[in-house]
Amino acid sequence: SQTIHQWPATLVQPVGSPLSLECTVEGTSNPNLYWYRQAAGRGLQLLFYSVGIGQISSEVPQNLSASRPQDRQFILSSKKLLLSDSGFYLCAWSPRSGLAGFNEQFFGPGTRLTVL
Amino acid sequence: GQNIDQPTEMTATEGAIVQINCTYQTSGFNGLFWYQQHAGEAPTFLSYNVLDGLEEKGRFSSFLSRSKGYSYLLLKELQMKDSASYLCAVRDYGGSQGNLIFGKGTKLSVKP
Repeated sequence: SQTIHQWPATLVQPVGSPLSLECTVEGTSNPNLYWYRQAAGRGLQLLFYSVGIGQISSEVPQNLSASRPQDRQFILSSKKLLLSDSGFYLCAWSPRSGLAGFNEQFFGPGTRLTVL
Repeated sequence: GQNIDQPTEMTATEGAIVQINCTYQTSGFNGLFWYQQHAGEAPTFLSYNVLDGLEEKGRFSSFLSRSKGYSYLLLKELQMKDSASYLCAVRDYGGSQGNLIFGKGTKLSVKP
């Protein structure tokens, strides 16, 4: 069976500090990978998605970047955190192939980031 | 543009039935998803509709009308554990390369 891991679970960082959140998927190969942010009172916002190693697409301009150094590893980074980067960060994966149109996204447990 | 609307909050009584509505405007459409998210946890998949009509799965059902840009999630025989946020998401091949666009979620509170 497939599992998705994220760490850390919670993080408190000062403004201006760097960030690295890691996500790994087990039990599948060549998945699509996603990073979302969920801020208080707002919906899930897609930040980045990746269809393969080294292939990253950004949905919104921001202070964050993403990398996919291995097939099942997705990393979210920042060089200098802003207060507005606080939120609940979710990694998700979906199978590359499957029933047409039905590629359910499976979410990791999330990282709650507080920037002070 | 892309827009997904759902009520912010709803309250219902244990054992009752509740309907959570979702309306969407997207440049393309290739399926609508409902997710359940308990506070502080990750969303979990509930249902998927791509054709008009009702999909039933136990106590949960989801309906879609593509011509009206409308869906609802129906929860029957409500239990306290159903208290959660319910997220409507649309797969839009027109503007977002097949990625999901999420609504802000409906926070459902089930009371005894």
